Amino acid sequence: GENVEQHPSTLSVQEGDSAVIKCTYSDSASNYFPWYKQELGKRPQLIIDIRSNVGEKKDQRIAVTLNKTAKHFSLHITETQPEDSAVYFCAASKGSNYQLIWGAGTKLIIKP
Amino acid sequence: DTGVSQDPRHKITKRGQNVTFRCDPISEHNRLYWYRQTLGQGPEFLTYFQNEAQLEKSRLLSDRFSAERPKGSFSTLEIQRTEQGDSAMYLCASGRHPEETQYFGPGTRLLVL
Repeated sequence: GENVEQHPSTLSVQEGDSAVIKCTYSDSASNYFPWYKQELGKRPQLIIDIRSNVGEKKDQRIAVTLNKTAKHFSLHITETQPEDSAVYFCAASKGSNYQLIWGAGTKLIIKP
Repeated sequence: DTGVSQDPRHKITKRGQNVTFRCDPISEHNRLYWYRQTLGQGPEFLTYFQNEAQLEKSRLLSDRFSAERPKGSFSTLEIQRTEQGDSAMYLCASGRHPEETQYFGPGTRLLVL
């Protein structure tokens, strides 16, 4: 079945620097890739998503890139701020009739 | 607030008791999902509904777990004969099929003593 691997498990960056989190997926039929941010004790919140017909998507300081050939996608956060500290999860699915398969999460720590 | 809501937010119970959680999805969302999340892990899929029909259940889901969505709006998740291993955050999400996006509720944190 589908498997999503996420790296690194923990990422510590200086405030103002960029952070990159990477995920790989196994099922080439996957076509939807969301990223969720989860602060401690709170709900996962969708921050950006991308579909397989697009290679890159940006929303202010956040961007996601997708390489279908290599079956990996990445989250890029620029000009990091303390409020970016959270656990970030990637996920993949083959469409709305299939489960979202989740990565294990990356704990992002922004150092002041 | 028009987001997904869950009730209760916290539940402490003794082993062997039954518990029931409620989820109210975003209005007009036809899809409703239940997940379980333990500390340091990603959400684990349990089951999902389209309208009132339960379309899929995780193979890992014990028969002590049952979910309903009788009128295609709110849903309940019941755990019978709770065990300490059931302690977790139970998350509900809703979406509007055929869109894939899922919006999560705040979760119900269950502690089984």
